[in-house]
Amino acid sequence: QTVVTQEPSFSVSPGGTVTLTCGLSSGSVSSSYYPSWYQQTPGQAPRTLIYSTNTRSSGVPDRFSGSILGNKAALTITGAQAEDESDYYCLLFLGSGIWVFGGGTKLTVL
Amino acid sequence: QVHLVESGGGVVQPGGSLRLSCAASGFTFHAYNMHWVRQAPGKGLEWVAFIRHDESDKNYADSVKGRFTISRDNSIHTLYLQMNSLRAEDTAVYYCAKDGGGGDCHFDYWGQGTLVTVSS
Repeated sequence: QTVVTQEPSFSVSPGGTVTLTCGLSSGSVSSSYYPSWYQQTPGQAPRTLIYSTNTRSSGVPDRFSGSILGNKAALTITGAQAEDESDYYCLLFLGSGIWVFGGGTKLTVL
Repeated sequence: QVHLVESGGGVVQPGGSLRLSCAASGFTFHAYNMHWVRQAPGKGLEWVAFIRHDESDKNYADSVKGRFTISRDNSIHTLYLQMNSLRAEDTAVYYCAKDGGGGDCHFDYWGQGTLVTVSS
């Protein structure tokens, strides 16, 4: 069974830069997995941030960017703001109509 | 403006059934693939099921395969999830999500979710 891995938690100072990653229990993440990223605050529905590795969804600030770093997908927040304190989930398309979310990263801005 | 509104959640006993609905508006429903995603209390997101725009293909997470059935009625812009043989571990908020299209394999719009509680 394929497991998508994310850091359980991360902390960043206001104005700082943080990179969250998304890996596979076995193998490397590449653009062929169409990695996408979602932001969720407590009690709210997820919000789409990034899709197809590095394309920002409509209305998403440009401080959010996506990439492949080594063997993982990555979400970088440059100039973090207080309102970025949220849970972040990556999603990978495994093919054959199957998608898998990572376990999520709880980001604290302090 | 895209709107997705889920309904049909509630409390059901283990072994029971429930059907969720997702009413869609603001986009050409019959042209887009759709998904169900769930989130157990205090836990992360879990992809549950996928349906192609014309119902020609459906897929499920292993955790629900054989118990859940995804379907849609394009004439009334509605997505469904029939859930049978429910278990305590199916307790979650269930979201419907619109596929982004264009072969980019992501979800671009989400509903607000409906809570399903499986408990005796």
